[in-house]
Amino acid sequence: DIVMTQTPLSAPVTLGQPASISCRSSQSLVHSDGNTYLSWLQQRPGQPLRLLIYKISNRFFGVPDRFSGSGAGTDFTLKISRVEAEDVGVYYCMQATQFPPSFGQGTKLEIK
Amino acid sequence: EVQLVESGGGLVQPGGSLRLSCTASVFSDLYMDWVRQAPGKGLEWVGRIRNKVKSYTTDYAASVKGRFAISRDDSKNSVYLQMSSLKTEDTAVYYCARDNSWKYDYWGQGTLVTVSS
Repeated sequence: DIVMTQTPLSAPVTLGQPASISCRSSQSLVHSDGNTYLSWLQQRPGQPLRLLIYKISNRFFGVPDRFSGSGAGTDFTLKISRVEAEDVGVYYCMQATQFPPSFGQGTKLEIK
Repeated sequence: EVQLVESGGGLVQPGGSLRLSCTASVFSDLYMDWVRQAPGKGLEWVGRIRNKVKSYTTDYAASVKGRFAISRDDSKNSVYLQMSSLKTEDTAVYYCARDNSWKYDYWGQGTLVTVSS
């Protein structure tokens, strides 16, 4: 199984400042069809998990453009250009390239 | 927007059984997965049921294989997780998630299963 490793596990940030979360996979996430099935999920307190980004850099419906994803192969990054109070929560990277799907440990984003 | 609603969680003794349900507002012909989250822990994939085209085949995590079974009733927009021989380590919030082209686009709010004597 592919192991997903996120850093940092805790990210204290100041409102209005940028934030960045890294995710590394134990194997390349490039699928035989040429796509890379790396997603980012957000878990806010009391809310269902929410898809933010899929296939590395595609924002899902309704996701603000302050969220962006990048990376390739085994190294990926989620960036928030200017953190807002509603962004507090836990962020997970997840791969679906190789079965079974697997998740990072989660990064807790909190306001300083 | 698609909504998924899980139900059926609760307190059960070790060795017991429980059946979880997940009902969708829109039940497309997609794969449906169950994912769990133990208290204070991260997300763990539990299992998958594919669609009619794929003959409703299922797969399970090694930790639950032989004890859990997933089924679906497309006429009721529902998917189910039958859990048996439950262990204390199965204590978690269980989520259903819709697998839409290699991404989980919608999740339920989760239902808590507590296995304890």
